[in-house]
Amino acid sequence: NAGVTQTPKFRILKIGQSMTLQCTQDMNHNYMYWYRQDPGMGLKLIYYSVGAGITDKGEVPNGYNVSRSTTEDFPLRLELAAPSQTSVYFCASSYWGGSEFGGQYFGPGTRLTVL
Amino acid sequence: AQKITQTQPGMFVQEKEAVTLDCTYDTSDQSYGLFWYKQPSSGEMIFLIYQGSYDEQNATEGRYSLNFQKARKSANLVISASQLGDSAMYFCAMREEGGSQGNLIFGKGTKLSVKP
Repeated sequence: NAGVTQTPKFRILKIGQSMTLQCTQDMNHNYMYWYRQDPGMGLKLIYYSVGAGITDKGEVPNGYNVSRSTTEDFPLRLELAAPSQTSVYFCASSYWGGSEFGGQYFGPGTRLTVL
Repeated sequence: AQKITQTQPGMFVQEKEAVTLDCTYDTSDQSYGLFWYKQPSSGEMIFLIYQGSYDEQNATEGRYSLNFQKARKSANLVISASQLGDSAMYFCAMREEGGSQGNLIFGKGTKLSVKP
């Protein structure tokens, strides 16, 4: 059972470069999320999606873009990387059954450094 | 105002003893869920325990129990019989079921160190 997978595990970017963090879930969850975790802090929501074709901003969306063309995939795009985007990025998914949410499942994280 | 407050940046506990990690929350929703996650040094987020706002009994999962005091808006995690492998960061989180997002709101975490 793969659950939520993320690639890459680690990445170093130069200022101004772009990259895409990949996230895939195989649990047929309708909701997917991207969080970032800065050193010594809890996770903060970047973007979320309630289903294919629908995305919305979270608490800290600046500098990021997302898309959701399929139920399984929810890539996060960084354009013009900045040192402030050095963080650990977690993808997560959850199921909304119409009356309540199921558990929230996290991927293993991507550790990104921007120099 | 912070929605999740964890006031203990770091805690020490002797192996085999019990420890309580504090968490208070702030919400105006009637329906919400409270979660605890463990994050070892390897970095993954490991789900430990869940308490729904309407659950009358405190949640328990093995050595973990959640001391839920709704009137005080507290959701403390109790780990019984601590083990060396319990050394990690612990995060309290809340999901407000009234919203449409379903995301978790996290506290800043407590670093637990278990001494042999």
